[in-house]
Amino acid sequence: ETGVTQTPRHLVMGMTNKKSLKCEQHLGHNAMYWYKQSAKKPLELMFVYNFKEQTENNSVPSRFSPECPNSSHLFLHLHTLQPEDSALYLCASSQEVFWKLFFGSGTQLSVL
Amino acid sequence: EDKVVQSPLSLVVHEGDTVTLNCSYEVTNFRSLLWYKQEKKAPTFLFMLTSSGIEKKSGRLSSILDKKELSSILNITATQTGDSAIYLCAVDRDTQGGSEKLVFGKGTKLTVNP
Repeated sequence: ETGVTQTPRHLVMGMTNKKSLKCEQHLGHNAMYWYKQSAKKPLELMFVYNFKEQTENNSVPSRFSPECPNSSHLFLHLHTLQPEDSALYLCASSQEVFWKLFFGSGTQLSVL
Repeated sequence: EDKVVQSPLSLVVHEGDTVTLNCSYEVTNFRSLLWYKQEKKAPTFLFMLTSSGIEKKSGRLSSILDKKELSSILNITATQTGDSAIYLCAVDRDTQGGSEKLVFGKGTKLTVNP
């Protein structure tokens, strides 16, 4: 248990669905992140939040919409996804931005 | 373009063997190199290396950074089946302007057979 909890663990959705991924950290960290991990590709940074403020959007399509209501919670709202969006979505947190990240167990997303 | 290359991409060994995983990088304004172990889903932090030639150790795992060769190795001695995982290397770089700072390699998948 890393102190970062993600739900759901698995998600199957159609291209017209709307769903949300949730992440909660119990470590008192200030920064939170969404990463995408596709097969045979490096981890790709999607979004960074520092003290609830979004500091980076790594050219992510608008069908992915992040929300950070406080330093402990992070959401990723999904709508009209494409099959190529199927991947493992990892949430992470750290005390300082990009300093020793702690990852959650991820949500394995399949888009049909 | 900044990049991190890990080799080999996959490795199969028997329990008790010693393995060496490699990570090379080409990044501007290097700050540190990190190793993570990913078993099942969640990557867990192993080491952070900032200075050349200083070995970090944790049990049977050790790692060292060579800034001249722009590379790092992760050694695992007397491997056990529980060491089976994907080992990720990432490089943290200083940026001005807010672009992505942590660059990951594709990982090395290690399988340890009994």
